[in-house]
Amino acid sequence: DAMVIQNPRYQVTQFGKPVTLSCSQTLNHNVMYWYQQKSSQAPKLLFHYYDKDFNNEADTPDNFQSRRPNTSFCFLDIRSPGLGDAAMYLCATSRDQDTQYFGPGTRLTVL
Amino acid sequence: GEDVEQSLFLSVREGDSSVINCTYTDSSSTYLYWYKQEPGAGLQLLTYIFSNMDMKQDQRLTVLLNKKDKHLSLRIADTQTGDSAIYFCAEVSTDSWGKLQFGAGTQVVVTP
Repeated sequence: DAMVIQNPRYQVTQFGKPVTLSCSQTLNHNVMYWYQQKSSQAPKLLFHYYDKDFNNEADTPDNFQSRRPNTSFCFLDIRSPGLGDAAMYLCATSRDQDTQYFGPGTRLTVL
Repeated sequence: GEDVEQSLFLSVREGDSSVINCTYTDSSSTYLYWYKQEPGAGLQLLTYIFSNMDMKQDQRLTVLLNKKDKHLSLRIADTQTGDSAIYFCAEVSTDSWGKLQFGAGTQVVVTP
């Protein structure tokens, strides 16, 4: 089945220690998104890639970066995680502005 | 606060119908979505409706759209314990490419 895969499902890091979250997709979608979801809140868009073009949301902290080496993979890098960055990170994909399909998420814990 | 508003909590008995309501503000939205999120999981697309439709039915799910009032609802018939989850409605923002504007989510609890 075509799907969006996120690894790892659970990630523990230390305060200030860089961490990378991974997303891959077999849907051959040209758009990939990263969302942050804190407890009891709606997902919040951090940025998205439209093909190779990176689009950052205005209020996304500089601490968050992303890489998309090819169509199938997209990475979220958190350069210096703080306690406030503990959250569920959701990857989604779409064909242009069509329906977005989400992965299972990565739960990030910052100690 | 969010432009998309939902009630935060709904309790329903197993076998009854659930109705989750949502209001949105962008009259230019072309698609409106319902996503389901179970604890610790990602968002599962349940259904969506195009803005030129009034109703869409998909098995136990019925979506009603009132464009005049900017009101969207999701009805789940014969609610089961597996329907316990948080339900998000979302519209595509017309002022930010492809960005989904989510409501705060409605937690549905199904009791035996």
